[in-house]
Amino acid sequence: TQLLEQSPQFLSIQEGENLTVYCNSSSVFSSLQWYRQEPGEGPVLLVTVVTGGEVKKLKRLTFQFGDARKDSSLHITAAQPGDTGLYLCAGDSYPQGGSEKLVFGKGTKLTVNP
Amino acid sequence: EAQVTQNPRYLITVTGKKLTVTCSQNMNHEYMSWYRQDPGLGLRQIYYSMNVEVTDKGDVPEGYKVSRKEKRNFPLILESPSPNQTSLYFCASSLLLSYNEQFFGPGTRLTVL
Repeated sequence: TQLLEQSPQFLSIQEGENLTVYCNSSSVFSSLQWYRQEPGEGPVLLVTVVTGGEVKKLKRLTFQFGDARKDSSLHITAAQPGDTGLYLCAGDSYPQGGSEKLVFGKGTKLTVNP
Repeated sequence: EAQVTQNPRYLITVTGKKLTVTCSQNMNHEYMSWYRQDPGLGLRQIYYSMNVEVTDKGDVPEGYKVSRKEKRNFPLILESPSPNQTSLYFCASSLLLSYNEQFFGPGTRLTVL
């Protein structure tokens, strides 16, 4: 069974601080996605990374896929209260793993205090 | 508007009383799936479907049934709900699984007494 370990599980910071969230696995993924979920809503996709070593930026958010495609990180610069939410990583092993299942990490709950 | 809808949004029921949670998408997606989300356990896949009449078990299928008679609909059926099925349920759809965005519904909060 493929597992995605996210750390930290909880993170509470002040507005303006920087932070990094990690998503690690012993398995190789063909792609990895990051979602953000707000209370009372379903997760919403932020980014998909596909190539080992790939870096994608979304405003103040920087996503990186590890060279071996086993891990990923999300870095937020100058966090704002609007960044508060549950951040989920999800890995897809298809086609090399032959699975049509998307594996989710347990999430990092981020709180940005004004 | 492209969306995934779920009904009901909230449901309180009793042990053993059959229920169905409906899921519908208007994006002509082939892939649909059901997840449950529990504190400390994250999102876990219950069942998924790659197209009409094609369904398969996810990681936690026990106690659940699904059907995919039409492309747009993917209902989740609990034949005899038990308290351990109290959870937040999400339906999701995508064009294909690989590399593609999963569009999630708003969730159904189920309580089984």
